Amino acid sequence: GAVVSQHPSWVICKSGTSVKIECRSLDFQATTMFWYRQFPKQSLMLMATSNEGSKATYEQGVEKDKFLINHASLTLSTLTVTSAHPEDSSFYICSAVNFGPGYNEQFFGPGTRLTVL
Amino acid sequence: GNSVTQMEGPVTLSEEAFLTINCTYTATGYPSLFWYVQYPGEGLQLLLKATKADDKGSNKGFEATYRKETTSFHLEKGSVQVSDSAVYFCALSETGANSKLTFGKGITLSVRP
Repeated sequence: GAVVSQHPSWVICKSGTSVKIECRSLDFQATTMFWYRQFPKQSLMLMATSNEGSKATYEQGVEKDKFLINHASLTLSTLTVTSAHPEDSSFYICSAVNFGPGYNEQFFGPGTRLTVL
Repeated sequence: GNSVTQMEGPVTLSEEAFLTINCTYTATGYPSLFWYVQYPGEGLQLLLKATKADDKGSNKGFEATYRKETTSFHLEKGSVQVSDSAVYFCALSETGANSKLTFGKGITLSVRP
């Protein structure tokens, strides 16, 4: 099946710094990628939809200036958490959509654990 | 808006026991329904899906039937194994390509030998 990678798998940073998380589709091109946030023992909450070559679409309540998304190529989307604070500590998961005639499926990355001190 | 409700967990079963994990949904229109599984330390993987009413998705011994009349998509397996221990998420998406997923809270299944 299709593979999606995330980098880094975990990161610890100081409050006030910015952190970039990469999401790559390794063996297919994805015009659409999604970014999710998962709190402990809770579901995945969609943060934004990332479309290649255009601006991301953010879900209600998600600060677009706080969570910058760039989808510069068909295989790479990045999420930058700007001026991170402890409340931004979470598990961030991306997915990439592989679709074509007769098929349409999201493939998920392994996630990135962000801890802000 | 769309929502997915899963039964409360965690669930602990003995090997070879029968498994049912309940999932109900609320959606406008006719969504596609999914079960995803997350093994420890790994990303979510699609377990099975159904795209229209009365469809049955199946994979690795797991089954779920799309029940429009009860807005349900319960996951079942006749005989669980230790290797089935994972977190299971029910999800839906509106029809069409690139549709975003709405997830349930997930339930942790532990299977003991």
